Amino acid sequence: DQQVKQNSPSLSVQEGRISILNCDYTNSMFDYFLWYKKYPAEGPTFLISISSIKDKNEDGRFTVFLNKSAKHLSLHIVPSQPGDSAVYFCAASRYSGNTPLVFGKGTRLSVIA
Amino acid sequence: DTGVSQDPRHKITKRGQNVTFRCDPISEHNRLYWYRQTLGQGPEFLTYFQNEAQLEKSRLLSDRFSAERPKGSFSTLEIQRTEQGDSAMYLCASSLGPASGNTIYFGEGSWLTVV
Repeated sequence: DQQVKQNSPSLSVQEGRISILNCDYTNSMFDYFLWYKKYPAEGPTFLISISSIKDKNEDGRFTVFLNKSAKHLSLHIVPSQPGDSAVYFCAASRYSGNTPLVFGKGTRLSVIA
Repeated sequence: DTGVSQDPRHKITKRGQNVTFRCDPISEHNRLYWYRQTLGQGPEFLTYFQNEAQLEKSRLLSDRFSAERPKGSFSTLEIQRTEQGDSAMYLCASSLGPASGNTIYFGEGSWLTVV
């Protein structure tokens, strides 16, 4: 039973445009959400996080939006750059970090120059 | 480099052999995690430690798997009698714990191929 779902395996975006990656979760106890980026043959790298007390968090070109009623979060990258091409994982945990992170299957983003 | 360090980065072993992976976390981090990732999947939780105490183990961690963190610093993950289904990337991560909201920082991973 997948508690964190990323339903789009891949996404292609033109350089300079906005990339929107989506994530849905089923466990209403999740209260902390993160996005990680992964290049081939490397470990995932932390990008940005959001607590359930917020609905938006920004860090430079990256913004994460949380819609608790829909159990949905999204990562916006603007403007997209070729170096953003990677696999992006959504992750969630319960009790403000007292449980291990649960990851989605990832979305492969390709930014085309 | 003060990030999470894993060794070896790659291991090829014959089915039935034992393998051991080592992880050195970020020095001030008291939590250490092991995850496994296979092709097309996200990282799957195996186990984690708070200092030297192993606090949780996933159902994925069969009897052939054992993890230790004897002095609350580095950790080892041993797989006994390896099977082809064990082929995966084994990821170690560390964190400050709930104080950091459970943001975990991964190492580069250890690739295991069982032939």
